[in-house]
Amino acid sequence: GQNIDQPTEMTATEGAIVQINCTYQTSGFNGLFWYQQHAGEAPTFLSYNVLDGLEEKGRFSSFLSRSKGYSYLLLKELQMKDSASYLCAVHSWGKLQFGAGTQVVVTP
Amino acid sequence: EAQVTQNPRYLITVTGKKLTVTCSQNMNHEYMSWYRQDPGLGLRQIYYSMNVEVTDKGDVPEGYKVSRKEKRNFPLILESPSPNQTSLYFCASSLVFGGSGSYEQYFGPGTRLTVT
Repeated sequence: GQNIDQPTEMTATEGAIVQINCTYQTSGFNGLFWYQQHAGEAPTFLSYNVLDGLEEKGRFSSFLSRSKGYSYLLLKELQMKDSASYLCAVHSWGKLQFGAGTQVVVTP
Repeated sequence: EAQVTQNPRYLITVTGKKLTVTCSQNMNHEYMSWYRQDPGLGLRQIYYSMNVEVTDKGDVPEGYKVSRKEKRNFPLILESPSPNQTSLYFCASSLVFGGSGSYEQYFGPGTRLTVT
């Protein structure tokens, strides 16, 4: 089985940076996803990390350390529209297991 | 327009009455999957399919059935729904899942099911 942990909620100010951590314990690992989900909507894909290191995509970056079972999503230059739930998910041979999600609240 | 569609979007039913939630994608994706989302528990995978006629259990398959007779469709069947299956259900698809290729998973709009 797999155990995936991420903080329940984080609050940050518009324009700031927020880092959402995700730790996992897994019996199999192919990669790690990050998704964004606004209230009442479906999740949307942000990133997929297979190898260790940092991948940058605009204001969002995702980091993976497979040996430590650790990933983070970095949101820079926060905007009000970034207020949402952020989900990390471990992929293992077609199976996906999600963390409970981190609610990010961006304040003016 | 590339999309994943689910029907119905909302359904209220009674315990024991068989129902099917349809899922269809028009992107020629090989991988399809069903999830349920419950407050405090996040998304949990019910079943997934790597390709036509290939389906596998996710973390919470009990009480559900699926079939993948053609690439575009992946219906979720509840043979005898119970109140603990009240949830928000999402279908998703991806071009490939494994090896090289796009891992971006597209989600349908969701089906809110209430079983009384």
